[in-house]
Amino acid sequence: NAGVMQNPRHLVRRRGQEARLRCSPMKGHSHVYWYRQLPEEGLKFMVYLQKENIIDESGMPKERFSAEFPKEGPSILRIQQVVRGDSAAYFCASSPGGGVPYEQYFGPGTRLTVT
Amino acid sequence: QKEVEQDPGPLSVPEGAIVSLNCTYSNSAFQYFMWYRQYSRKGPELLMYTYSSGNKEDGRFTAQVDKSSKYISLFIRDSQPSDSATYLCAMSLNAGNNRKLIWGLGTSLAVNP
Repeated sequence: NAGVMQNPRHLVRRRGQEARLRCSPMKGHSHVYWYRQLPEEGLKFMVYLQKENIIDESGMPKERFSAEFPKEGPSILRIQQVVRGDSAAYFCASSPGGGVPYEQYFGPGTRLTVT
Repeated sequence: QKEVEQDPGPLSVPEGAIVSLNCTYSNSAFQYFMWYRQYSRKGPELLMYTYSSGNKEDGRFTAQVDKSSKYISLFIRDSQPSDSATYLCAMSLNAGNNRKLIWGLGTSLAVNP
């Protein structure tokens, strides 16, 4: 049973470009969470999605960031007009429908570097 | 003040030592308390969770929650070099659709052979 898959594992973008991060949840999981990890700030929740719905986006920056989880295909975290401060590791987690918070299974992360 | 405080270390111990890791928190509404292990360049991996107060043991690992003091601990007995990693505490309200995890900074642990 494959775990949570994220691609690309490493992404380099110049300031002003767009970054698209993909997350394929574990088989049978319909809930996806995105977290960002910065060295001095630790892991921070960004957004929680179910298929075709955003459930909680309280951690998403108001501008430039968006997320989707379509009926078919992976969840996408999109960052427009990237700035150096967006450089971080972005982790996706998935869980079965409903459930408890400890049932979030994490992918290996995408490391975004903005030059 | 951060919602969850965790000393980042680093912590260095000899093989076989008992390791004590801990976090404090400010939100008394947290219900779930988790410990994750993260190896370099990898995603967090759940080690243990506790609901509300009390102790939980799993092999060499013991998790404790003291809600009156807003303090949680993870103990590792007979530590091994393979335990060298960053240990993260995380907490959650789990109220309705609020399932986000609130994290400590993580404590870097090195177990020396």
